[in-house]
This record gives sequence, C-alpha cells and structure tokens, in this order.
Amino acid sequence: DARVTQTPRHKVTEMGQEVTMRCQPILGHNTVFWYRQTMMQGLELLAYFRNRAPLDDSGMPKDRFSAEMPDATLATLKIQPSEPRDSAVYFCASGHNLNTIYFGEGSWLTVV
Amino acid sequence: DQQVKQNSPSLSVQEGRISILNCDYTNSMFDYFLWYKKYPAEGPTFLISISSIKDKNEDGRFTVFLNKSAKHLSLHIVPSQPGDSAVYFCAAPDVKTSYDKVIFGPGTSLSVIP
Repeated sequence: DARVTQTPRHKVTEMGQEVTMRCQPILGHNTVFWYRQTMMQGLELLAYFRNRAPLDDSGMPKDRFSAEMPDATLATLKIQPSEPRDSAVYFCASGHNLNTIYFGEGSWLTVV
Repeated sequence: DQQVKQNSPSLSVQEGRISILNCDYTNSMFDYFLWYKKYPAEGPTFLISISSIKDKNEDGRFTVFLNKSAKHLSLHIVPSQPGDSAVYFCAAPDVKTSYDKVIFGPGTSLSVIP
C-alpha cells in the first residue's frame, strides 16, 4: 500500500531551534509538494519540486525556511531559526497529476 | 489574495439529509477543480473533481456542481452519514504553473449529527 511518509509526526521545540521535517514520496511520483495548514489560511503551498528540481518556493519565508530534495526518495523542509508563528501542521504530498496528489499524515510542529 | 474561497468555516447537518458545501473562486482562468476530504490527524485525500467543460460530476453520494458564470462550485453529499464528518477543501490548479501547483481554499468543517 503506497503512501507518503513524513517524520517526525509530532515535534515540540523551543524558539530559535532548528527543525527539519522529512518526507518520503511515493515511489515513481515526480512531483513533491510541501503544504502548511493553519486555521486562518487553510492549506498554504510552501514549495514544490518536479523531478527533484525546485519549481516554486514563493510561499516560503526565505530567511528561515529551506526546502530540498537530495534524492528521489527524500524531501526535506528546514526551519532555522524556528519561531512560535511557525507552529502548524506541515504536509508533504506527491503525485503525477492532479487526481493523484497523495498527502502524508503531516508533521505537527509546536514552537514554544 | 485568496483565489479559492470557502466562506463557511463549519456546517452541521442531520444524518440522512443533504450536505451542501460551497466554494467560490476569483480567477476566471481556472478550468479544473478538486475536492479533498480531511479527517483529524490525517492528510487530505482526493474526493472528486470537475472540469470546466462540465457543470456536474457525480460519484456515488457525492456530486459537484460548477457554475462558471458565477465562479462558484458546490459539493453535495446525499445522504449525509456520520462518517462524512471531516474538513472539506476546495482546490484549483494554478494555471500559471502548468497545473502542478494546486491552490486550496481554507476548508469547511462538516459535522453530520446522528
């Protein structure tokens, strides 16, 4: 049963610390997305990759967020330094076309 | 500027009745729309889609209607079941990015009361 795997599922960290979230997309999917869910904004697209190349990261705060895809089986989203306003659920999703965008279960981040 | 809007944050419906979730969009270039369903502590899952060449698409208890002139679509669930209680996101591909970038609305939380 193919699925998008995200780690960690839950993270509580102190303000100023570095946070790294990892995602293993479904094998064979060529597009990987990072979304953030907040109460006010719903699902915000932070960044996405096609064939490992970053296509758009305009949704990310550039000074503290970075997204990479070091290989086809791993995508990372890093926050350094983290701030309380970064507290949210971060979703990774992968797919080939619009009907087959599969989401992971999310990484719940709390910055205190 | 939100291009996909869901103006009702929440909706409660009696089991067996119809649930109607609404979505409005501002970009007249959008020509494909999706609905995703999300349970607590899980990621969103694809539910149903509609292309702008149609005004209706049906899949079992779920029907999506599209009114292009009003830039409005709605998801109908008939009959509603307690298991349908979830957050529903309306979404549309960003036409500027060759359809890979999907823009989501803020979601509507549906509660189906037994």
